Amino acid sequence: GESVGLHLPTLSVQEGDNSIINCAYSNSASDYFIWYKQESGKGPQFIIDIRSNMDKRQGQRVTVLLNKTVKHLSLQIAATQPGDSAVYFCAETLVGGYQKVTFGTGTKLQVIP
Amino acid sequence: GAVVSQHPSWVICKSGTSVKIECRSLDFQATTMFWYRQFPKQSLMLMATSNEGSKATYEQGVEKDKFLINHASLTLSTLTVTSAHPEDSSFYICSAREGPQPDTQYFGPGTRLTVL
Repeated sequence: GESVGLHLPTLSVQEGDNSIINCAYSNSASDYFIWYKQESGKGPQFIIDIRSNMDKRQGQRVTVLLNKTVKHLSLQIAATQPGDSAVYFCAETLVGGYQKVTFGTGTKLQVIP
Repeated sequence: GAVVSQHPSWVICKSGTSVKIECRSLDFQATTMFWYRQFPKQSLMLMATSNEGSKATYEQGVEKDKFLINHASLTLSTLTVTSAHPEDSSFYICSAREGPQPDTQYFGPGTRLTVL
């Protein structure tokens, strides 16, 4: 059968508040990072990406911060909405050459109405 | 936008049987496709990378004779789980890459496999 499930870290946020989801990546050579959103029973959905030559990138309601010194990524979601409830994964890879994308551990975001 | 489909979306089979899962890029050509497996409350684990017209590259620990991957065209890759057992029950997700850059990679909706 399936592995005994690990429990994903959960972040509970009040609707309208800002959310910050953190991630540590493993490969210091990685130069491209992506945040994905995965709703229950669905595949991952691209949210935002950042290259290693940047330390911040903003999208619509989302901001990604990259700290290469400590191999840390964060995803900030402004004015969190119930539709933001999902599991969020950071992922790392190398730019170019069809390199594989490696997923980090996820964080479950629960938005409290 | 680029769409990747998977078929079936769920399947239940008996132990010992083989199951084939299809992954299609609907509106683009994908030279490279990736297969992931995801157990409940866990992350996606890459199983293999498949390139059109050539043999798949499997990740360490993934049995290539058990998980057969065929990427016969630029829009279709298949994963066959041979002699499935209950421990193979999982959520299988494919991903198709339109170009060399990671931001051209799109994920399918996943296939839930349950082996009885």
